[in-house]
Amino acid sequence: RKEVEQDPGPFNVPEGATVAFNCTYSNSASQSFFWYRQDCRKEPKLLMSVYSSGNEDGRFTAQLNRASQYISLLIRDSKLSDSATYLCVVNSPSTDKLIFGTGTRLQVFP
Amino acid sequence: NAGVTQTPKFRILKIGQSMTLQCTQDMNHNYMYWYRQDPGMGLKLIYYSVGAGITDKGEVPNGYNVSRSTTEDFPLRLELAAPSQTSVYFCASSESTGGRPEAFFGQGTRLTVV
Repeated sequence: RKEVEQDPGPFNVPEGATVAFNCTYSNSASQSFFWYRQDCRKEPKLLMSVYSSGNEDGRFTAQLNRASQYISLLIRDSKLSDSATYLCVVNSPSTDKLIFGTGTRLQVFP
Repeated sequence: NAGVTQTPKFRILKIGQSMTLQCTQDMNHNYMYWYRQDPGMGLKLIYYSVGAGITDKGEVPNGYNVSRSTTEDFPLRLELAAPSQTSVYFCASSESTGGRPEAFFGQGTRLTVV
């Protein structure tokens, strides 16, 4: 089983739609969780951290489910500019490094 | 703030040539990483370092070497370039994997081996 798994997509959604991505992780001891955004041919950039109680940043909501070992990202009122690849990142306590998922591609169309 | 700086941004190598990809960070981060990303694919970890003098292999280390003599610098060396090493290379750093572990990336080096 991969340490971090994501549905690669693509998710094609119209402007204004709500879309959600999930990411599962294998190490129950992981403590730090993030969502990164990567635009085409650019470096990944931090979108938001994921806290145990869930957190929101504008149109973006992140949730953590420790029992089922997954994190989610919800995007409301999608914009064309949200089109990108979204990477799930989890820390690995056993190997002492950050593990990146392969990303979920989102395409928002007019 | 400079953050993570990678040089060069682009490079074309001939098969069998060598080169060093430079990476430096000014945030005093202990953790540094090298990833490669092939077109349409995810990041693959080549090597990482948890502090000066300490390096460890990631999932795709073959054909590469690294060193970490200072906290700031983490160069990646390709000794005998092969077409399979054509990729975009990203360097990243983070403070730790607990606490504030978010990673900051350089802008990438686009390498073509012909």
